Amino acid sequence: AQSVTQPDIHITVSEGASLELRCNYSYGATPYLFWYVQSPGQGLQLLLKYFSGDTLVQGIKGFEAEFKRSQSSFNLRKPSVHWSDAAEYFCAVGIRSNDYKLSFGAGTTVTVRA
Amino acid sequence: GAGVSQSPSNKVTEKGKDVELRCDPISGHTALYWYRQRLGQGLEFLIYFQGNSAPDKSGLPSDRFSAERTGESVSTLTIQRTQQEDSAVYLCASSRGGQGVYAEAFFGQGTRLTVV
Repeated sequence: AQSVTQPDIHITVSEGASLELRCNYSYGATPYLFWYVQSPGQGLQLLLKYFSGDTLVQGIKGFEAEFKRSQSSFNLRKPSVHWSDAAEYFCAVGIRSNDYKLSFGAGTTVTVRA
Repeated sequence: GAGVSQSPSNKVTEKGKDVELRCDPISGHTALYWYRQRLGQGLEFLIYFQGNSAPDKSGLPSDRFSAERTGESVSTLTIQRTQQEDSAVYLCASSRGGQGVYAEAFFGQGTRLTVV
């Protein structure tokens, strides 16, 4: 079965600094990859997804992620974080196009300091 | 409604009691999911409803867990004889359904269940 690892439980970053959140998956073929964000008091919101094609995908709120097959990774990045980016971020994997069940990582909590 | 609504937002219950969690999906969304998030862990799939098809209950951890959905509307997740290990955040999501991963799932804020 596929699995998703987010190695960093908690990251603290200064406002205006860059942010990178790591995600590694375990699956033999190319999975369908997602990043979700959960802000305090909010439901999970889809930031971006990768299905095929260009390995660098752009999402909402200025986020991007890069799929690297050789490293089985799908890391999320943002060049300059804002205080409103403080949230919990989840990486998720689907293994078939008709599969509605996603496997989620344990999440990374991002704290933004002024 | 505008988004997926879950109630209650918080629930504290005594061990052994039954609890019922409610989810109101986005209008028109035929697919509805329940996930569980234990502290420090990723979301675990529990159950999936799609239209009038038989639900996929493959993620339910024990027979103490059950869920129902009336048509394409409200769903309730029931946990009988709660145990401390049931303490978690229970998340509901809905999507247009029938499109697998291509249908974006919209999540509610979750119900935080604490069993004491």
